[in-house]
Amino acid sequence: VQLQESAPGLVRPSGTLSLTCAVSGGSVRSSSWWGWVRQPPGKGLEWIGEIYHTGTTNYNPSLKSRVTISVDKSKNEFSLILTSVTAADAAVYFCARQASTTSYYFDLWGQGTLVSVSS
Amino acid sequence: DIQMTQFPSSLSASVGDRVTITCRASQTMNNYLNWYQQKPGKAPKLLIYGTATLQSGVPSRFSGSGSGTDFTLTISSLQLEDCATYYCQQTYSVPRTFGQGTRVEIK
Repeated sequence: VQLQESAPGLVRPSGTLSLTCAVSGGSVRSSSWWGWVRQPPGKGLEWIGEIYHTGTTNYNPSLKSRVTISVDKSKNEFSLILTSVTAADAAVYFCARQASTTSYYFDLWGQGTLVSVSS
Repeated sequence: DIQMTQFPSSLSASVGDRVTITCRASQTMNNYLNWYQQKPGKAPKLLIYGTATLQSGVPSRFSGSGSGTDFTLTISSLQLEDCATYYCQQTYSVPRTFGQGTRVEIK
């Protein structure tokens, strides 16, 4: 199974960031959650949110008013939308599979895509 | 939110040394604690999940332990390729928070 993020590159301040994570070699309908994590340049990891193939979502409260995660089973992909973007949203964005067995853990990651915020 | 405090923030050790990284949670979390390794320009890699279960393919020199609010990642014999930043993460509750990271350097 592989994950591949789309690459929007540059987003304008106050604009909307839109990313897609394509799942290959597996199915978004599997018994896994699918999530997004971001990492500002030189900083640590921040969990953004997750979705199950049924559409159930969980979001980081710090971003909840601006974030939407969705899944498209027909395209075998899931997506992240972040509105009202500011410079603080500039980061490498990773999509990841969150396995759910005896625990929850991100066992598979995309390579990450750098999002810059500038006018 | 469960806050994860990781320490030290960085360390320098010699090849062959035993290295321990600690992660402390602000509340108990039923051992839903994971460890990741991240090298520059790369995605994080899962090392340990559920406090102590070694992910498939990860060398046995990595081990995890702990309970309650205190957890540790141990590298029994540090190797050159272990130079990286290590993060803990709790997945007991939402948001699934990460520690601040520990940078491991080789002397």
